Formats: sequence, C-alpha cells, structure tokens
Amino acid sequence: GNSVTQMEGPVTLSEEAFLTINCTYTATGYPSLFWYVQYPGEGLQLLLKATKADDKGSNKGFEATYRKETTSFHLEKGSVQVSDSAVYFCALINNNDMRFGAGTRLTVKP
Amino acid sequence: DTAVSQTPKYLVTQMGNDKSIKCEQNLGHDTMYWYKQDSKKFLKIMFSYNNKELIINETVPNRFSPKSPDKAHLNLHINSLELGDSAVYFCASSLGGTNTGELFFGEGSRLTVL
Repeated sequence: GNSVTQMEGPVTLSEEAFLTINCTYTATGYPSLFWYVQYPGEGLQLLLKATKADDKGSNKGFEATYRKETTSFHLEKGSVQVSDSAVYFCALINNNDMRFGAGTRLTVKP
Repeated sequence: DTAVSQTPKYLVTQMGNDKSIKCEQNLGHDTMYWYKQDSKKFLKIMFSYNNKELIINETVPNRFSPKSPDKAHLNLHINSLELGDSAVYFCASSLGGTNTGELFFGEGSRLTVL
C-alpha cells in the first residue's frame, strides 16, 4: 500500500536557522510527492510538489528533491522565519489515492 | 470566491445526535475527499469520490455516510455521534485521475461532541 513517514516533532528553531524535515514514502509505481503546510486555524495548503524522480520542488525558500533511490522527499529551508511556524505534512498521490504523513509542528522563535 | 467551502465551521453537539457537514467546490475538480484531523494533527482520509462515485472508503464506522449529489458537492452525515468523533473535518478536492493531482482544502469544520 501507499504510506508516508515523516520525522516526529515538534521542531523548535531560532530565526535564520537551517531547517530539515525528513520524509520517506512507500508506494508501488510512480507517485507524485508533496509538502503541505497548515498555519494555525487554517486548512492545509500546497507548499511544493515533485512529480518524478530527481525533480526539485521549491516555493517560498523551501525545497525538496524527489529521491527514488532512497524513497525520500526531505523538506529544507536555509533560513527560517517566525512566519514559517506551522505544521508541515509530507504527502503522496498514487492512482488517485492520497496519503499524508503525521505532520511535523515547527515553531520558530525570534 | 472561496475555492472549497465547508459549513458549518464550528459544530458543538451532544452524544447520540445526528449532524451533517456540507462541502462545495467551485474549481471544476472531479475528485473530492473528506479527511479527519485529530487533536495531534494526524490527518486521516475517510472517503473519496470521483464524479459522484465512491472510490475510497477507509475503515470508517457505518455511522459516517458521505453523499455526493453532484461532482461539486460532497456532504458528510454522521449518525449517533460519539465523543471520539470530536475532531476537525476537512473537505478537499483535486483534479484526480492521474498522479499529478494536488489537493485544495477547505478551512475545516471543528466538531465537538459533549
């Protein structure tokens, strides 16, 4: 079956620190991979995506590379801001089946 | 215009009651979903409809019944509410079909069962 595993939180960083949130997946075939972000009191919104191996998704300074050999899609940002505080979800879609990781809460302190 | 809208946003009710949450999308998408998010933010798919047809039905109690009158609407009816049903329920939609879909979420409906 399809599944996503991401690092447990919470993650607390100081402003301008480097961020990595690990994500690995299990799927048959060739899924598309996503990172979603949920700000407090809101629904999830798409942050970035990659649809095939070695693709790099990027948005708002965040990046993630689709690594088929390690079945990973780790999220990175070089310098986080207080406004990045949110819950981040790794996800995949495969044959119309969408699966999310458990979410990682990030708190960025000034 | 809100792309995916769900109502009500907040719902407080007693155990044993029956309640419904409505969802509408104006994006022209073929696939709609209901997700349940618990207090620890874990997001679990409940149902998925493609062009009004049920395509995903996870292990959900029979008390939960989705209804899709047309491809722009997917409502969730819950019978005999229990304490454990308290959660935030998110509706979402996508183009579906291929592996390139991305989901658009509503703002969530927070259900509290007393």
